[in-house]
Amino acid sequence: SYVLTQPPSVSVAPGKTARITCGGNNIGSKSVHWYQQKPGQAPVLVIYYDSDRPSGIPERFSGSNSGNTATLTISRVEAGDEADYYCQVWDSSSDPYVFGTGTKVTVL
Amino acid sequence: QVQLVQSGAEVKKPGASVKVSCKVSGYTLTELSMHWVRQAPGKGLEWMGGFDPEDGETIYAQKFQGRVTMTEDTSTDTAYMELSSLRSEDTAVYYCATAVLGYCSSTSCFDYWGQGTLVTVSS
Repeated sequence: SYVLTQPPSVSVAPGKTARITCGGNNIGSKSVHWYQQKPGQAPVLVIYYDSDRPSGIPERFSGSNSGNTATLTISRVEAGDEADYYCQVWDSSSDPYVFGTGTKVTVL
Repeated sequence: QVQLVQSGAEVKKPGASVKVSCKVSGYTLTELSMHWVRQAPGKGLEWMGGFDPEDGETIYAQKFQGRVTMTEDTSTDTAYMELSSLRSEDTAVYYCATAVLGYCSSTSCFDYWGQGTLVTVSS
């Protein structure tokens, strides 16, 4: 089955830029979606189809996808961005919905 | 306005079964492809299965095949996930999730989630 690998943690100072990577074999050929999950809450979709933002998600959140790496970028990081972030793809294998291993973003 | 409201927390003994519900409002269940995702304490998200609209059937992750059953009661717009032969490793928060807000197709991602149901398996 398809595997998505994320760094366990990313630390960033307020106002700076956080970049969270999601690695997978030829992931650039797939659509990547990103979720934000705060403690005790359900995941929230923040980026879909590589780079689109749902209504209500700040423009500070952006996404890109090429080659073997997809990236979620959070610009001008705020304390409220501290959360776990998961990438996800749909893969035409036996287990089609695949989540990444998750990245904890800590705002210093 | 869509809502997915899940049943309350459960405590089960090893070997038992648990059935979690997800009540849909604002839409009918037949308009949605409902899926289930679980998250063990301190761990990541794990897709368990859901409805495949292309085949018209429910598909299950290989890991759970034979142990999980997902059903729907369209008369009450309630989806169910039943997991049997529970073991301590099944202790997790179980979420129902779907594509309903128009951002995701029925075979791409989930743009709406239930609030989660904690299932604890302990002797």
